[in-house]
Amino acid sequence: QQPVQSPQAVILREGEDAVINCSSSKALYSVHWYRQKHGEAPVFLMILLKGGEQKGHEKISASFNEKKQQSSLYLTASQLSYSGTYFCGTAYSGTYKYIFGTGTRLKVLA
Amino acid sequence: NAGVTQTPKFQVLKTGQSMTLQCAQDMNHNSMYWYRQDPGMGLRLIYYSASEGTTDKGEVPNGYNVSRLNKREFSLRLESAAPSQTSVYFCASSETDPNTGELFFGEGSRLTVL
Repeated sequence: QQPVQSPQAVILREGEDAVINCSSSKALYSVHWYRQKHGEAPVFLMILLKGGEQKGHEKISASFNEKKQQSSLYLTASQLSYSGTYFCGTAYSGTYKYIFGTGTRLKVLA
Repeated sequence: NAGVTQTPKFQVLKTGQSMTLQCAQDMNHNSMYWYRQDPGMGLRLIYYSASEGTTDKGEVPNGYNVSRLNKREFSLRLESAAPSQTSVYFCASSETDPNTGELFFGEGSRLTVL
């Protein structure tokens, strides 16, 4: 069962903020976030580990609530370059079966 | 640094034909993955290999076979292609347990089945 992301799509103006949520029906050990530009491969943004350790990228931050099995990605003061599709990803505890969330399409307008 | 290399980048097949997508990584990574991405959709795991000599089914394995030829190479075979297999295929690798490390992706192989 793949993680469910919300919203499915969002349109912003430059400088506005956005939050993307990722919710799992299974316990999570860690959550990764990726961004995919049209026609390109996904690119790693950050990882959030159980216990709170976080590795970040650019001006984007994230949170991980292990009890609620949820993660949120925060994009503040969005730039045109933030446009793309965002995916959360996880390998359920004890396996290498790495799956991605349903995706969120984000478009930033000038 | 080449990273993850996929071949071919583009392929057109007729229904019923077979083909193999090749993937090689030069980062000495242990685990490797094959995903498919249909137009406007997310990434779905086809097969994965936690280490050399092991392979396991992902979310959508039907119609595919894989071979982990050695630590560097992980191939995906379509034995009898169907139009429903028209998609972009991504290979990825991870140094260790994907719970703690990122996945590195190839550029993708765009397959059309007529």
